[in-house]
Amino acid sequence: EPEVTQTPSHQVTQMGQEVILRCVPISNHLYFYWYRQILGQKVEFLVSFYNNEISEKSEIFDDQFSVERPDGSNFTLKIRSTKLEDSAMYFCASSWDSYGSYEQYFGPGTRLTVT
Amino acid sequence: GEDVEQSLFLSVREGDSSVINCTYTDSSSTYLYWYKQEPGAGLQLLTYIFSNMDMKQDQRLTVLLNKKDKHLSLRIADTQTGDSAIYFCAESIRGDKLVFGAGTILRVKS
Repeated sequence: EPEVTQTPSHQVTQMGQEVILRCVPISNHLYFYWYRQILGQKVEFLVSFYNNEISEKSEIFDDQFSVERPDGSNFTLKIRSTKLEDSAMYFCASSWDSYGSYEQYFGPGTRLTVT
Repeated sequence: GEDVEQSLFLSVREGDSSVINCTYTDSSSTYLYWYKQEPGAGLQLLTYIFSNMDMKQDQRLTVLLNKKDKHLSLRIADTQTGDSAIYFCAESIRGDKLVFGAGTILRVKS
């Protein structure tokens, strides 16, 4: 069964450093997403990406964040200068194949710890 | 704005049915989802329902939607210890961005 994969599973970084979280969405999907879950809080939407551009972003997704699809398979989230409050589990998801399925599948997540 | 509320905890005995409830605020919600999260794992899609449906059944899972009350429930028949997990309700207007509830911890006692 196709699945969304994410690397690394855990990333520890120092405040102010740049991090790149990587995702490989399901191959025939057209929509890609990043969500995050701060410990003990709800899963929050960050950004959606379609047709090589951002289709929607939340208030959390400020200028420190960027997304990219550098090739036909990877989808990355970059945090330019990490803050302590960026510590969270980051989930990548993908959905919406050409048949119009609304099933949104999530990866296993990357736990980001900012020290 | 969009908001989704769930009860935090449910404890059932193995073999009983579990019912996890969810309420949402946005009447424009078109797609409603249930996800399962086991410890250390990602979010596993269990099922979803369109807002023009009242019920959807998939093996041991039954989803009921009361659109008037903006209430969604997930019934798990013959609950097993392997069903112990956190269950998240989520809504979407267009089938893209999801708004999640805080999750319900289901504990199944053997």
